[in-house]
Amino acid sequence: DTAVSQTPKYLVTQMGNDKSIKCEQNLGHDTMYWYKQDSKKFLKIMFSYNNKELIINETVPNRFSPKSPDKAHLNLHINSLELGDSAVYFCASSPRTGEGGYTFGSGTRLTVV
Amino acid sequence: QKEVEQNSGPLSVPEGAIASLNCTYSDRGSQSFFWYRQYSGKSPELIMFIYSNGDKEDGRFTAQLNKASQYVSLLIRDSQPSDSATYLCAVYNTDKLIFGTGTRLQVFP
Repeated sequence: DTAVSQTPKYLVTQMGNDKSIKCEQNLGHDTMYWYKQDSKKFLKIMFSYNNKELIINETVPNRFSPKSPDKAHLNLHINSLELGDSAVYFCASSPRTGEGGYTFGSGTRLTVV
Repeated sequence: QKEVEQNSGPLSVPEGAIASLNCTYSDRGSQSFFWYRQYSGKSPELIMFIYSNGDKEDGRFTAQLNKASQYVSLLIRDSQPSDSATYLCAVYNTDKLIFGTGTRLQVFP
């Protein structure tokens, strides 16, 4: 009965590969987000979707492509992975846009070697 | 200037003491403010939010907001070793939460 679940939890891959991270929430929330947490623990928003519609795209390289097939799912596909993409990626959701009480998933630690 | 600033710490307090965590923000139009706690290797979890100037209490936690000074703080009374974590201040602005870099709190027995 996990509220926001992400898979995989760990991802180790070589430079140049393409990988995907999946996120699902069972809270009935309308809005979902992807955040990146770097090695200094700084959490920065990447994307947000409201009921499958892209709301925020924060100057993220176009190698990153989010996809929301329905309002309960938000996946992140990354092409041509680079060393600098190594980070923890968190999915989050909120009842609707305009509310800051987010529920976060457990995170995906991506290591690019 | 960063949008949300926090002292990275660590802030070390003895068990039973009051821990005081501070945060400043740059956008004067910000309306809602949040504190998240993040244990090492875990995801952030919401502990408090505050919208109005003044104090808001929830158990051992008190959030304080001063919009004129663009300042938010979190007080933790009767600190316990289990409170040892990174505390993230976040400001809601233009459809997104903007986080500070967090303050690491260490509570020693």
